[in-house]
Amino acid sequence: GAGVSQSPRYKVAKRGQDVALRCDPISGHVSLFWYQQALGQGPEFLTYFQNEAQLDKSGLPSDRFFAERPEGSVSTLKIQRTQQEDSAVYLCASSPPWGDEQYFGPGTRLTVL
Amino acid sequence: GENVEQHPSTLSVQEGDSAVIKCTYSDSASNYFPWYKQELGKRPQLIIDIRSNVGEKKDQRIAVTLNKTAKHFSLHITETQPEDSAVYFCAAGDYKLSFGAGTTVTVRA
Repeated sequence: GAGVSQSPRYKVAKRGQDVALRCDPISGHVSLFWYQQALGQGPEFLTYFQNEAQLDKSGLPSDRFFAERPEGSVSTLKIQRTQQEDSAVYLCASSPPWGDEQYFGPGTRLTVL
Repeated sequence: GENVEQHPSTLSVQEGDSAVIKCTYSDSASNYFPWYKQELGKRPQLIIDIRSNVGEKKDQRIAVTLNKTAKHFSLHITETQPEDSAVYFCAAGDYKLSFGAGTTVTVRA
């Protein structure tokens, strides 16, 4: 079946602009995660949803970062007033209800100029 | 929070030889330990995982071992092939994963 999809795949923003990144999880997966991956590093946890409930947002770097999943399916990560240090690949992952495995999307590469 | 350390950062092996990557973790509450393979510009791909109630797991040429007492786990790849060349990440946690910094594996033909 279809895997996790993300859009856009690439985003260039000027410093100070707002951006919205979309994640479509695998159908039937109730858990959804966002990670940030800097160049040459492992992914770092940002936030976790179970259905529409955001159960953990401890990894969000600042209050400029906001995530939502209003209908328990598609999720959006929004970054307000982007800064150069926000430049990274933003990865989304989803998990089935019966297991711990996290399946990743292709990521959105954000470049802030 | 959880802290995962991964070694080595780079590994070059001759085709057909074995590759071993080691990770340590800090949080004794972690109970799930996956390994991901990431090719350049691609998504992390889950290749094998192990849970805290198991000491070893094998899937064809790949095996993982876990020592909960020492808080370390390892990935073993046997009979390496050029297509095994990639960056490998270990991770530890429960619902929330903490990742190591990655190991760049190069298999020389």
